[in-house]
Amino acid sequence: TQLLEQSPQFLSIQEGENLTVYCNSSSVFSSLQWYRQEPGEGPVLLVTVVTGGEVKKLKRLTFQFGDARKDSSLHITAAQPGDTGLYLCAGAYTGNQFYFGTGTSLTVIP
Amino acid sequence: GAVVSQHPSWVICKSGTSVKIECRSLDFQATTMFWYRQFPKQSLMLMATSNEGSKATYEQGVEKDKFLINHASLTLSTLTVTSAHPEDSSFYICSVLGTPRGRNEQYFGPGTRLTVT
Repeated sequence: TQLLEQSPQFLSIQEGENLTVYCNSSSVFSSLQWYRQEPGEGPVLLVTVVTGGEVKKLKRLTFQFGDARKDSSLHITAAQPGDTGLYLCAGAYTGNQFYFGTGTSLTVIP
Repeated sequence: GAVVSQHPSWVICKSGTSVKIECRSLDFQATTMFWYRQFPKQSLMLMATSNEGSKATYEQGVEKDKFLINHASLTLSTLTVTSAHPEDSSFYICSVLGTPRGRNEQYFGPGTRLTVT
């Protein structure tokens, strides 16, 4: 069961454009993680957010955790072809398990 | 983060046979590991939580007798797909749970591509 909905599901943009990916749930997370996955590989952790309203920046990537800890967003500034990949959010509710969002497939065209 | 390996990276087997996939934590002892399955163009679905020295906890809808998990040491968890069928063909990924910054984070292996013919 996918408890986290991501939007958009697919995104194709030109190099240099900005984009935002959303991760939404009706449940409250104790923490939320964002990953990027390349085809045929395991996901790579980008960031973990734990506090409502928290904002973290990783170079051109900005991650925000909603005040109520039910949603999160990933904003990429001046996208580059190297940003192409599958972006996944994963939330932890109680316990140690993480449940993944539906995923956003990003293609940045040179 | 942790370094996690999986073996094999890909495997092809005939319908009805069993396949074992290994997940190793190479640089720290992992009490908890997770197994996920990912179908093409889809996200990861949590199958089970593997706990060292105890029985695995399976997610709803995952057959524990079909997907056997053994976490016999702090560095190794195995997933055995028994009596595999073509619908079991998928990308199987394990992860290791760590707390490097005082909070739960997971680190993924490179995945195993299973094709059942």
